[in-house]
Amino acid sequence: ETGVTQSPTHLIKTRGQQVTLRCSSQSGHNTVSWYQQALGQGPQFIFQYYREEENGRGNFPPRFSGLQFPNYSSELNVNALELDDSALYLCASSLEGQGAVRGYTFGSGTRLTVV
Amino acid sequence: ELKVEQNPLFLSMQEGKNYTIYCNYSTTSDRLYWYRQDPGKSLESLFVLLSNGAVKQEGRLMASLDTKARLSTLHITAAVHDLSATYFCAGASGTYKYIFGTGTRLKVLA
Repeated sequence: ETGVTQSPTHLIKTRGQQVTLRCSSQSGHNTVSWYQQALGQGPQFIFQYYREEENGRGNFPPRFSGLQFPNYSSELNVNALELDDSALYLCASSLEGQGAVRGYTFGSGTRLTVV
Repeated sequence: ELKVEQNPLFLSMQEGKNYTIYCNYSTTSDRLYWYRQDPGKSLESLFVLLSNGAVKQEGRLMASLDTKARLSTLHITAAVHDLSATYFCAGASGTYKYIFGTGTRLKVLA
């Protein structure tokens, strides 16, 4: 079975720009979560998608938005980029209800640098 | 809201030695997860602890959960260089959200 894949792996953007990050969930997984990991910190929950709808959100402003598609892949969009948005963005997938029991499978992440 | 604290934040140890990483959490969480992260890499699931008293072992690592004390431990036995990494614990907030600790950066010296 394939794991969680994210693209791109690295990205450099200018402050004020918009960015879209992509995630393909592990085969058979229908739930996708996004986390932001700043350098030297633990990951912070951004939001989760299930059945193409957001079903949970962390303390992130509305300029962080997402989508989930019928094939369960997902996008994270960030508008009006700020320098503090520089981080590793991790996507995690699970089968509904299984994430709590088995743990989420994380992708390799997208390293976003805002200059 | 659930808060998760790990200590120590940094750990430098000699090969062959034993040590324990501690993970305290602030409110009720009956699920606790341990992950490993190598520099520049993603998170690798190590252990899922689902009930009070749960103990799991894999190789030189053993994790336990005490929900009454709101404490999980990750014990390292006879450390080897390959265990050098950052270790995170995470508690579950609700059914879907993980709250991670700040991580323990482990360096095993030859």
